[in-house]
Amino acid sequence: NAGVTQTPKFQVLKTGQSMTLQCAQDMNHNSMYWYRQDPGMGLRLIYYSASEGTTDKGEVPNGYNVSRLNKREFSLRLESAAPSQTSVYFCASSEPALTDTQYFGPGTRLTVL
Amino acid sequence: AQKVTQAQTEISVVEKEDVTLDCVYETRDTTYYLFWYKQPPSGELVFLIRRNSFDEQNEISGRYSWNFQKSTSSFNFTITASQVVDSAVYFCALSELDRGSTLGRLYFGRGTQLTVWP
Repeated sequence: NAGVTQTPKFQVLKTGQSMTLQCAQDMNHNSMYWYRQDPGMGLRLIYYSASEGTTDKGEVPNGYNVSRLNKREFSLRLESAAPSQTSVYFCASSEPALTDTQYFGPGTRLTVL
Repeated sequence: AQKVTQAQTEISVVEKEDVTLDCVYETRDTTYYLFWYKQPPSGELVFLIRRNSFDEQNEISGRYSWNFQKSTSSFNFTITASQVVDSAVYFCALSELDRGSTLGRLYFGRGTQLTVWP
């Protein structure tokens, strides 16, 4: 079991460029999440998907879109990157019907110049 | 308003000292979960413990122990006989079960950086 995997691990973008962060889990979890982590701010929820086919906004959704491609995969897209989106992005998954504990991927460090 | 407050931004101790990390939460839900995660220098987030709101028993796992007190809305974490490998950022988090939804969104505190010196 790989758990939650994320690609890429690092990325540098120029302002205005677009990119998609990929996330996959092999734990058969129904729920998946995207967070960003900024210094001194903890983790903040961007978007989440309670189950395949549904997505909802979290605390800081502006500038992002998501796609729940199937039960395993949940991608995060930056359509026009801005320096304020420089952050570390974490994907997580959980099974609310069981323990509801969220398990996290290794993170993607994104820098927008 | 912050749902989870970790008032200690940084703590430094010397190896073998005991250290307690504080966590205070705020919720109107009667059913909720509390979590602690560890983020070592390598950056990944490691799940440590989950506690539900109906279980106030203290928990001990090796050198780690957790004290959950609903009366003070606190869920504190103690490391006994700290080691250099305990150096990390520790996050406390709250998951509320909103009415009509079984999805528990996680609200994180801002974390406490623990440094253990040899």
